[in-house]
Amino acid sequence: QAGLTQPPSVSKGLRQTATLTCTGNSNNVGDLGAAWLQQHQGHPPKLLSYRNNNRPSGISERLSASRSGNTVSLTITGLQPEDEADYYCSAWDSSLSAWVFGGGTKLTVL
Amino acid sequence: QVQLVESGGGVAQPGRSLRLSCAASGIRFRNYVMHWVRQAPGKGLEWVSCISHDGSGKYYADSVKGRFTISIDDSKNTLYLQVNSLRPEDTAVYHCVGEGGGAFDIWGQGTVVIVSS
Repeated sequence: QAGLTQPPSVSKGLRQTATLTCTGNSNNVGDLGAAWLQQHQGHPPKLLSYRNNNRPSGISERLSASRSGNTVSLTITGLQPEDEADYYCSAWDSSLSAWVFGGGTKLTVL
Repeated sequence: QVQLVESGGGVAQPGRSLRLSCAASGIRFRNYVMHWVRQAPGKGLEWVSCISHDGSGKYYADSVKGRFTISIDDSKNTLYLQVNSLRPEDTAVYHCVGEGGGAFDIWGQGTVVIVSS
């Protein structure tokens, strides 16, 4: 099943802003939007946002998500060392009747 | 306290079967769509399957269709994944995930499946 496209890595400095992207098509991202998850090494993922910019309780306001067409973005402002992690996007694909994931982006905070 | 605890993983030879379980506490399945998501060593996340709260809707990734079966026992608050005809590429950590409000809200720690001869 075709997945979503994410850049493998992004590097930004401390307190800077990082924007992670995720591209799909009109059957997935462009239809119902996407969710973003964060995974630290050795831990299960954690949901950061869903349907583009709905944040679960407890998720920092430094994180915001948006969508433009078939691409969703996750913006993290004021980068902190704890933001260094792998980030995945995911969306329901109505043509496949399946969830699809992006390959993940490793965010490094310098 | 909301918790998902997986079990049933282990080492299996190619072609053999395993039954993975996920015991839920602090949530009621009737309010959730339940998923299995796996992660091969050093790789990204791969969605495997999901089931509606009443078991009427089941969906599978192409990579496991016809080999894996998802089921739910609401009375025991337990989710299952029957994995048959195992292949080396099924080697992964298998996470049980609850989808409540919008997406993959609650994750278990996972159970490890290793397929090797």
